[in-house]
Amino acid sequence: GNSVTQMEGPVTLSEEAFLTINCTYTATGYPSLFWYVQYPGEGLQLLLKATKADDKGSNKGFEATYRKETTSFHLEKGSVQVSDSAVYFCAYYTGTASKLTFGTGTRLQVTL
Amino acid sequence: EAGVAQSPRYKIIEKRQSVAFWCNPISGHATLYWYQQILGQGPKLLIQFQNNGVVDDSQLPKDRFSAERLKGVDSTLKIQPAKLEDSAVYLCASSSAVGRRGANEQFFGPGTRLTVL
Repeated sequence: GNSVTQMEGPVTLSEEAFLTINCTYTATGYPSLFWYVQYPGEGLQLLLKATKADDKGSNKGFEATYRKETTSFHLEKGSVQVSDSAVYFCAYYTGTASKLTFGTGTRLQVTL
Repeated sequence: EAGVAQSPRYKIIEKRQSVAFWCNPISGHATLYWYQQILGQGPKLLIQFQNNGVVDDSQLPKDRFSAERLKGVDSTLKIQPAKLEDSAVYLCASSSAVGRRGANEQFFGPGTRLTVL
């Protein structure tokens, strides 16, 4: 069935390190892809999205490219900050199911 | 613009008790969602409303969970009776989009953390 697979956390990085969080999906049709972020004690916030193949979503220095050939939407950031410490969720939406399906989340911890 | 409001933020109950959560979506948002987020997992959709009608409740355990959105604005989610496995964060989200465009952006509330003892 349809699903989203994210790399397991926690991911611990030093400040200014390069970040990659892998995400792959299994879905029929042409899903829209999303990354959500959940800071401690807060609700989920949309970080970035891409609605068709080869689109690149970007926000706050984070980027992810919709790769239909590999069914992936990996999240990257060139230089992380302590304030990026949060849980990151990959998700997709298809019109067929008409709902968001989330991955299990990846906790990122950035240290000085 | 005010965000999605939820209350209470925390609730502790014993099993077999009942509990209710409240959500006030962003003004004007037609679509409202309730999600269950168990520790270590991603949010799982329980029910989706469009205005005051149910669009999808396929994942709602209807023997114990119920939800309503009577006037197409606020919504309540109720659990009766609660089980230990209901311990989770219950998230409410809203969207201005309708139909198949409903996921263009969903705005989430801070959630209600439920602990069932």
